[in-house]
Amino acid sequence: AQKVTQAQTEISVVEKEDVTLDCVYETRDTTYYLFWYKQPPSGELVFLIRRNSFDEQNEISGRYSWNFQKSTSSFNFTITASQVVDSAVYFCALSEALPEAAGNKLTFGGGTRVLVKP
Amino acid sequence: GAVVSQHPSWVICKSGTSVKIECRSLDFQATTMFWYRQFPKQSLMLMATSNEGSKATYEQGVEKDKFLINHASLTLSTLTVTSAHPEDSSFYICSAREQGQIYGYTFGSGTRLTVV
Repeated sequence: AQKVTQAQTEISVVEKEDVTLDCVYETRDTTYYLFWYKQPPSGELVFLIRRNSFDEQNEISGRYSWNFQKSTSSFNFTITASQVVDSAVYFCALSEALPEAAGNKLTFGGGTRVLVKP
Repeated sequence: GAVVSQHPSWVICKSGTSVKIECRSLDFQATTMFWYRQFPKQSLMLMATSNEGSKATYEQGVEKDKFLINHASLTLSTLTVTSAHPEDSSFYICSAREQGQIYGYTFGSGTRLTVV
């Protein structure tokens, strides 16, 4: 069974500080996809990134960067120079490469609440 | 990009009544839709997976007679909470997967249900 663990439940930083969110996953499949979503107070889920298990290149998108390490089953997310608008709950999620009929469901981690103070 | 419209965004109902939540894919055909429930300060828990034209597959512990899911068309899925009770108060979010896009999940904006 697949499992996603986000050990940090809440992180508080001061604006302009960097913050790294940890994500560790478990899966028996060799092919899978990892995701990060942002959930602001309004509740909707905002898609941030999707990465497949064969692509271990780190990725940078503006102030966001992701570090994928299969050796440690981790897919960590860093926000550089944090801003108040980054305050939200961030979820890491995993989808195994099951046959389409099985649903390819997403399994979410517990989420990390990030509070960026001015 | 793909858009999923979820309605209503919030609803308050009396205990014992039923509530229907709609999830529509606006610009794509969704062969599979997922329904999640999220209690305050908790993660999203998958309730059920529905494929167009067939019965939904419910996760363990989710009462199928209480949470009725209908996915009658490629653009619409509904979740009906029957005989709602205060403990059903939660945030419900749907997600749709575009036909042919196995790993593309688009989420609705969620429905906050309060049962009084």
